[in-house]
Amino acid sequence: RKEVEQDPGPFNVPEGATVAFNCTYSNSASQSFFWYRQDCRKEPKLLMSVYSSGNEDGRFTAQLNRASQYISLLIRDSKLSDSATYLCVVNPSYGKLTFGQGTILTVHP
Amino acid sequence: DAGVTQSPTHLIKTRGQQVTLRCSPKSGHDTVSWYQQALGQGPQFIFQYYEEEERQRGNFPDRFSGHQFPNYSSELNVNALLLGDSALYLCASSLYLAPRPETQYFGPGTRLLVL
Repeated sequence: RKEVEQDPGPFNVPEGATVAFNCTYSNSASQSFFWYRQDCRKEPKLLMSVYSSGNEDGRFTAQLNRASQYISLLIRDSKLSDSATYLCVVNPSYGKLTFGQGTILTVHP
Repeated sequence: DAGVTQSPTHLIKTRGQQVTLRCSPKSGHDTVSWYQQALGQGPQFIFQYYEEEERQRGNFPDRFSGHQFPNYSSELNVNALLLGDSALYLCASSLYLAPRPETQYFGPGTRLLVL
């Protein structure tokens, strides 16, 4: 079983749509959780950290369920500029980040 | 504020050769981590350096080795290159004793093609 699993997609949605990405992780000792965004042929960039209580940053909402070892990212009112690969990331031990394979999102006019 | 820099940006090598990739961390950071990202996959952790020592290592063979210099910059060396080593190599920097040391900033990467 992979340490971090994501639906690779691709997700193709129209502008203005709401889209949700899901992720599961296997290491119950993991302490920190993140969503990174990666544009084509670029480096990953931190989109948001994920906290147990859930957190929101503008159009983006992240949720964490430790009991189910499940993380989600919700994007509301999708923009063309949201098109990218979204990487679910878990911190299983000090300093090490474990990435999922990424979910491809394409937002079309 | 200088971000993470990596060199070279692209590299072509043949099987069996050796390669050295370089990384300078973000200003104020003291820790460098290296990741390998194959096409269509997420980055995979290779190792992390702090205080010029390898602190953690992922599931990579001994052909992959590294070094950190007193100025915190780092090198990744890969010996006896295989076709499967073709990938984007990412360097990430962080501050070891920061409140959230897992927050890492990535450089633009080095694209390695092994023929």
